[in-house]
This record gives sequence, structure tokens and C-alpha cells, in this order.
Amino acid sequence: DAKTTQPPSMDCAEGRAANLPCNHSTISGNEYVYWYRQIHSQGPQYIIHGLKNNETNEMASLIITEDRKSSTLILPHATLRDTAVYYCIVRVLISRDDKIIFGKGTRLHILP
Amino acid sequence: GAVVSQHPSRVICKSGTSVKIECRSLDFQATTMFWYRQFPKQSLMLMATSNEGSKATYEQGVEKDKFLINHASLTLSTLTVTSAHPEDSSFYICSARDGELGAFFGQGTRLTVV
Repeated sequence: DAKTTQPPSMDCAEGRAANLPCNHSTISGNEYVYWYRQIHSQGPQYIIHGLKNNETNEMASLIITEDRKSSTLILPHATLRDTAVYYCIVRVLISRDDKIIFGKGTRLHILP
Repeated sequence: GAVVSQHPSRVICKSGTSVKIECRSLDFQATTMFWYRQFPKQSLMLMATSNEGSKATYEQGVEKDKFLINHASLTLSTLTVTSAHPEDSSFYICSARDGELGAFFGQGTRLTVV
């Protein structure tokens, strides 16, 4: 079972920041938070990941709470191309027991 | 980011025939590959995990004799759907893991069994 909980859908106006929350209250100390997104009829695309510290790359920022029980993915200036299903996943890196289990994700609609 | 190529992207086959789907990591060595299936408007469901040179580990409820997985090299894994039936029609997606970099996904294969 997925160890994360996300809202089923969200809307965001084009050009605004999209903030997607994720709860992972049972996360273990060695588990990372990963975010992927899936645009219709394509394979998931990696966005960002982190362990404890906040992370930023060219696509997004990841804010992880101090207790690590929740996180927020931030798309700073959403465009219509960001319309997709966003998945938050927790996983252990570098382990032969690593499995990537998807929850239901958040369907993000960017509104023109 | 790392590139995972999946082939074919679409396939239509007749009921009772077998279909092979290839998954290749193009610019890294993948010690572990994952296979998923996805029905319309649903999330990805993990079918099996394969480590190079080992037998695949199947998730509960997935028939190992129906979905044959071979991970013969560090850059190639194949999924063969044997004796396909219409209910096997789905979107199949592979993922290849490269240690610290995480996992990267293929573009998916749309299988239609008629």
C-alpha cells in the first residue's frame, strides 16, 4: 500500500504558484520523499526528491516539514503544460527491497 | 535525466497470442527494473520487480506464468504477456532504477487485445 495521502484534485491559475500537499505520517528515517508526475498517456516523469532538507531544481521546489510527516511540492509559475497527475512517493534508496508504490495522486488542472 | 526507452509504444494483438514488451535503459545501468500496469483513470499498479540475473519478484495477485519477465542484462528487461486476452488490455509501463539517481520511467506501451 502507498504510504502517502494526497488530495484527489486541485486547480491553479496559469502563472500562479501551484502548491501540492502530501501527507506521509508513517515515513521512516531512511525513506526519501519523491515526486513524479504523469501527463496523459505517458510514463511518469521524475520531478524532485528529498530526505530532510528543502530542495529546489529547475522544475520545482520541495518543502519537507521538520517532523518529515508531510511535504509540499511547489511549481513556482504554473503553465498549461503542468496539467498532470502528481504522485508523492516515499521510498528507500539503494536497497534491493526498494519498491515504488504509487498512490492515487493529485490531478492538477491549470486554468487559463 | 536518465533515459528509459520502451518498445513498442502501441501494440494490437489477437486473443491467444503472446506479446513482448522491451524496456531499455539507454545511458545507465539498471540493476533493478519495475513493471507496472495502468487501467484508465487509475494509478499505476506494480506488477513485478526484477533484478539483473535473478528471477523476478511478483506482487500478490499477478500471475507469473502469464506475465513473463526477463532481466538478462543491466540495460534490458522484457515483459511477455502470454496467451493474451481482452482483459489484459492495458497501459504497461517499465521503470529502471539507477542507485542514487532514483527511478526513471519508460513512455509506456498501450496493449490492445482483440
